[in-house]
Amino acid sequence: GAVVSQHPSRVICKSGTSVKIECRSLDFQATTMFWYRQFPKQSLMLMATSNEGSKATYEQGVEKDKFLINHASLTLSTLTVTSAHPEDSSFYICSARRGRSSSYEQYFGPGTRLTVT
Amino acid sequence: RKEVEQDPGPFNVPEGATVAFNCTYSNSASQSFFWYRQDCRKEPKLLMSVYSSGNEDGRFTAQLNRASQYISLLIRDSKLSDSATYLCVVQGGFKTIFGAGTRLFVKA
Repeated sequence: GAVVSQHPSRVICKSGTSVKIECRSLDFQATTMFWYRQFPKQSLMLMATSNEGSKATYEQGVEKDKFLINHASLTLSTLTVTSAHPEDSSFYICSARRGRSSSYEQYFGPGTRLTVT
Repeated sequence: RKEVEQDPGPFNVPEGATVAFNCTYSNSASQSFFWYRQDCRKEPKLLMSVYSSGNEDGRFTAQLNRASQYISLLIRDSKLSDSATYLCVVQGGFKTIFGAGTRLFVKA
């Protein structure tokens, strides 16, 4: 299967600071990338979908000014959590897909565990 | 009503048991269906796609009933290593919806 990497795998930051998480598709070009958040013992919650070269589409309830997503190339998307608060502490997972259609398989990154103190 | 609903867990079964998970979806226009497996603190990994005719992969059998908007996953001869959370995933158009997951614990 295809490989998706995320960096960093774990980050601890202070309240009020910003954190950037990178998601890379290593061996394929990802037309579409997704960002998910998962709280303990809960399911993945889609935050936003981004198509390369376009603005991200955010799910209802996700603040686009707080969670900045950039998908500048076919192999890289970044999620920046601005002015982080303790309630932003979560497991953030990206996934990548070759095409826009849902018929393409999604490949998941290993996730980034964010802790805001 | 949630777009994708799964059996509440956890399921606690002994090794060798057969266990079945169910999942219902609300959007009749959904096109693709999958089961993912997620281990604790890890990312989800594709377990198998689900086809209308039903499909089998070793000890795992998946079935789809479009009329009832229902998919299932059957695990035979459970192993300790099957302990994980199983996520039902439904896709339609550009959208992918994950179920909340069902936790399975297989005990020796």
